[in-house]
Amino acid sequence: GDSVTQMEGPVTLSEEAFLTINCTYTATGYPSLFWYVQYPGEGLQLLLKATKADDKGSNKGFEATYRKETTSFHLEKGSVQVSDSAVYFCALSRGFQKLVFGTGTRLLVSP
Amino acid sequence: EAGVAQSPRYKIIEKRQSVAFWCNPISGHATLYWYQQILGQGPKLLIQFQNNGVVDDSQLPKDRFSAERLKGVDSTLKIQPAKLEDSAVYLCASRLSGQGAQGTQYFGPGTRLLVL
Repeated sequence: GDSVTQMEGPVTLSEEAFLTINCTYTATGYPSLFWYVQYPGEGLQLLLKATKADDKGSNKGFEATYRKETTSFHLEKGSVQVSDSAVYFCALSRGFQKLVFGTGTRLLVSP
Repeated sequence: EAGVAQSPRYKIIEKRQSVAFWCNPISGHATLYWYQQILGQGPKLLIQFQNNGVVDDSQLPKDRFSAERLKGVDSTLKIQPAKLEDSAVYLCASRLSGQGAQGTQYFGPGTRLLVL
C-alpha cells in the first residue's frame, strides 16, 4: 500500500539556519504530495503542495519539489525563524482519497 | 470563511465508557474525513464520507467505533466501549468535491481523548 517516510526528529537549528526535512514515498500511479504543519496547540494546516512531477510547491519561504525519479518531496527553507518551530508532516493523496501521512518531524528553532 | 469546527476539544473518560465527537465541516464541502492521531504518529484515516454516504471505512474498528453524517453536513464519531489504546487526537477534515487530486483537505483543531 501507499506509504510516506520522513526523517526522524527532532531537528534542532539556530535561527537563520538552512532547513531540510527529507520525505520519500511509495505509491502506485501519480499521487499528489503535501506538507502540513502543526503548531503547538493548533490543528494541521496545509503548508504547500505539488500535484505532478517536477512541480515546486512554495509558501512562507518553504519549498518542496516533486521528484518522481527519486520518489521524494523534501522540504527546504533558506533561513528558519523561531516561529517556524512546529511538527511537519509529509503526506500523499491519490484522487479524492485519504491522505497518507508520515510520522512527522519536530523542528525546534532557537534564537 | 469559517473553518472546520470540532467539539469537545478535550475529553477524559474511563475505559469501557462511551464517548462521542462532533464535527461541522466547511460550508459546501461534500467530503468529510475522520482521522485518528496517536501521540508521536501521523494521522490515520478512520472513515471518509461523500455527502452522507461512506466511501472508505476499511480502517474503522467497527466493533467499537461508529460514525454517521446526517443530511450530508455535520458528523458524529462514537466509541463504545472505549479502550486505553483509543487515547489519541481525533481530527475531522473536509474537502470541496470535484477538484480531483489537487483538492486540499482542511482540518479542524481536533478532540484530544484520554482513556484511563
